Amino acid sequence: DAKTTQPNSMESNEEEPVHLPCNHSTISGTDYIHWYRQLPSQGPEYVIHGLTSNVNNRMASLAIAEDRKSSTLILHRATLRDAAVYYCILRDPLGGSQGNLIFGKGTKLSVKP
Amino acid sequence: DVKVTQSSRYLVKRTGEKVFLECVQDMDHENMFWYRQDPGLGLRLIYFSYDVKMKEKGDIPEGYSVSREKKERFSLILESASTNQTSMYLCASSLRLAAHYEQYFGPGTRLTVT
Repeated sequence: DAKTTQPNSMESNEEEPVHLPCNHSTISGTDYIHWYRQLPSQGPEYVIHGLTSNVNNRMASLAIAEDRKSSTLILHRATLRDAAVYYCILRDPLGGSQGNLIFGKGTKLSVKP
Repeated sequence: DVKVTQSSRYLVKRTGEKVFLECVQDMDHENMFWYRQDPGLGLRLIYFSYDVKMKEKGDIPEGYSVSREKKERFSLILESASTNQTSMYLCASSLRLAAHYEQYFGPGTRLTVT
């Protein structure tokens, strides 16, 4: 799977929007962009994924650059419960049958009240 | 909502003991995974299973075995626990292996081997 680059940490204020960036300049045309998060002492949790178009769900929005070399996870109103490590992961449908996720270091999001 | 449960949140075992970690999912998913998570190393795949009684080695299978006798249950076995197997163990399930399917994780079992 192609590599992603994320900032090590970010801070946000409660009830403000948060934009978490991810660079993936070596993305292939078929790679899906997935986001997961991991709250302290919990297992990872799926957030959202997309291929080319922007995506919205009840948790977040995913904005994908036109050239697909970067993406941004948007939390519309951060809450204290959103404090977690956020992982941006690329998944190649042609990349073998293991199906496992490869987590990088992610971005640790802190939310201030 | 998909639910993946793991038998224990915390476990302390002695070196040489046989350890069983159980995982159950309630969404009829075909695929189940066992990962371990260590600081600085991210998640590493130990084993996965794509069907009942079927298993495949992941990246770090040494010292582990697995069992999948029923679709909903996937067990990780440490035949003879060692201190270097102290870790957070995470179970996950997925409807399909394809790249656009998400994985659902359990809460994790923090295993300490003394």
